[in-house]
Amino acid sequence: EPEVTQTPSHQVTQMGQEVILRCVPISNHLYFYWYRQILGQKVEFLVSFYNNEISEKSEIFDDQFSVERPDGSNFTLKIRSTKLEDSAMYFCASTWTSGGLLYNEQFFGPGTRLTVL
Amino acid sequence: AQSVSQHNHHVILSEAASLELGCNYSYGGTVNLFWYVQYPGQHLQLLLKYFSGDPLVKGIKGFEAEFIKSKFSFNLRKPSVQWSDTAEYFCAVNKGNRDDKIIFGKGTRLHILP
Repeated sequence: EPEVTQTPSHQVTQMGQEVILRCVPISNHLYFYWYRQILGQKVEFLVSFYNNEISEKSEIFDDQFSVERPDGSNFTLKIRSTKLEDSAMYFCASTWTSGGLLYNEQFFGPGTRLTVL
Repeated sequence: AQSVSQHNHHVILSEAASLELGCNYSYGGTVNLFWYVQYPGQHLQLLLKYFSGDPLVKGIKGFEAEFIKSKFSFNLRKPSVQWSDTAEYFCAVNKGNRDDKIIFGKGTRLHILP
């Protein structure tokens, strides 16, 4: 069964450094998402992406964050200058278009645990 | 704005006990409703979903949920829990569009005593 994959599974970085989290969505999916879960808290929406542009972003997704689909298969989240409070599990998700049906189950990847020291 | 409330933050049950986890959402339009489970050290997995039709939805591992539109609720139930059900359970909602964020509740940590 196709699944969303994410790399790396765990990233440790120093405060102020740039990180890039990578995701490979399911191949026929067109809508892509990033969520994050700070330890002990709920999963929060960061950004949605469709047709090579951001569809919606949350207040969390400030100028330090960016997303890209560089090569038609990968979907990346970049944090330019990491802060301690960026430490969290980051989940990628994707869904397909269904030709007019309101059916949009999102499939989640296993997550990347980002630790900022 | 949409929000999801889960009534219980931490539930402890013995094996074979019945389970009901409460979930209410705030959105008046068409919604899709989900329960996700996160086993210790693992990623989010979809337990069950409601898009339309029969409001009583059956999911994996013997779980079911009932959508009661008048109460804006989507409670999760299981008649007899097992030790392996120990996990965190998230209720979630999104609007009936193809491209819309999922709003998660804060989660309920379920601990089953063997």
